[in-house]
Amino acid sequence: DAGITQSPRHKVTETGTPVTLRCHQTENHRYMYWYRQDPGHGLRLIHYSYGVKDTDKGEVSDGYSVSRSKTEDFLLTLESATSSQTSVYFCAISDTGTSGAYEQYFGPGTRLTVT
Amino acid sequence: DQQVKQNSPSLSVQEGRISILNCDYTNSMFDYFLWYKKYPAEGPTFLISISSIKDKNEDGRFTVFLNKSAKHLSLHIVPSQPGDSAVYFCAASDFNKFYFGSGTKLNVKP
Repeated sequence: DAGITQSPRHKVTETGTPVTLRCHQTENHRYMYWYRQDPGHGLRLIHYSYGVKDTDKGEVSDGYSVSRSKTEDFLLTLESATSSQTSVYFCAISDTGTSGAYEQYFGPGTRLTVT
Repeated sequence: DQQVKQNSPSLSVQEGRISILNCDYTNSMFDYFLWYKKYPAEGPTFLISISSIKDKNEDGRFTVFLNKSAKHLSLHIVPSQPGDSAVYFCAASDFNKFYFGSGTKLNVKP
């Protein structure tokens, strides 16, 4: 298994509060991603990073911000949580595998409930 | 607009037979295509990928076929096993930015 951990694994928070989710990798992969998974939508990209301090927006970035100050850590922040941000959040890492093909590996997920 | 689509939400197959999961895409600039398997309460697991310059890639029981003219890819699992029962996602990469389909739930019956 790729060395990816997410914390916390479960969180319940109230509308309007800030929330930060952490992703930590031990694989030294260059790329890191935050996705959310919702029924009927599959996985949707929120933000991604292609290096330390280098980040870009994904499909559903509104209401989210990210930071990457070290190769191994990628933080996702909900500045003011809303009920529409109730979801399962997955972190992923990727790099070119030994075959030259892309390989992407996912963390175990964080279930966030905004009440 | 979804750039990657899986139009079959579910598929049921008998153990030992072939499972064929399908995926369509709209962006001709995608450079890699990937398949993932997901069990409940776990993160997706990478299965197999294929470059846009190839039309087939095989890894054990899993084979991915790419038809660029039709913008279509498929995952074949032969023979299917009950442990293959899971949700399968296809994804496409645009220079390390990944787009996912909505998933197909595969049920392999013993």
